[in-house]
Amino acid sequence: GQSLEQPSEVTAVEGAIVQINCTYQTSGFYGLSWYQQHDGGAPTFLSYNALDGLEETGRFSSFLSRSDSYGYLLLQELQMKDSASYFCAVPSGGYQKVTFGTGTKLQVIP
Amino acid sequence: GAVVSQHPSWVICKSGTSVKIECRSLDFQATTMFWYRQFPKQSLMLMATSNEGSKATYEQGVEKDKFLINHASLTLSTLTVTSAHPEDSSFYICSARGRPPPPTYGYTFGSGTRLTVV
Repeated sequence: GQSLEQPSEVTAVEGAIVQINCTYQTSGFYGLSWYQQHDGGAPTFLSYNALDGLEETGRFSSFLSRSDSYGYLLLQELQMKDSASYFCAVPSGGYQKVTFGTGTKLQVIP
Repeated sequence: GAVVSQHPSWVICKSGTSVKIECRSLDFQATTMFWYRQFPKQSLMLMATSNEGSKATYEQGVEKDKFLINHASLTLSTLTVTSAHPEDSSFYICSARGRPPPPTYGYTFGSGTRLTVV
């Protein structure tokens, strides 16, 4: 089976940088994705890492270390609108179904 | 970009009745549809995977007779919650994968359906 662990909550100040970690245990690994979900909304894709290293997309960056079964999402220049839940996720199986991590609720404070 | 339209966005039903949720892929062929359920303050849990024209594959612990999934065409999949009970109240979200692959590395999510059973 798949298991992805994240911290449950993180609080950070507007304008700061925050890192959300994800450790995973999977049978077979294709890559690590990150999604953002605001309360009452659907997940929105943020990034995907298939190989080790850092991927940068604007204020968001994502890092993967396959040897450590670990990844993180880095959010820079935090804005109030970044307050949301963030999920790491992995595709698996023949149909590439996505298993989501436990989720991290980020609260950005003034 | 790839869009999945999910309806209704919210529904309230009486205990014992059935509710149907639809997901339509608007600009691509959804060869595979995933159905998730999310309880408050929890993660998304996969309920089942369906491929166009074949029976759905349910995750362990999900009652296939209670959660009926139909994927009769490449643009439409439905989830019917039969004989709904208050404990079925949840946020249901579909996710599609298909041809051509949506830009989000193969997965496009619907906007979700908030089901409340009273």
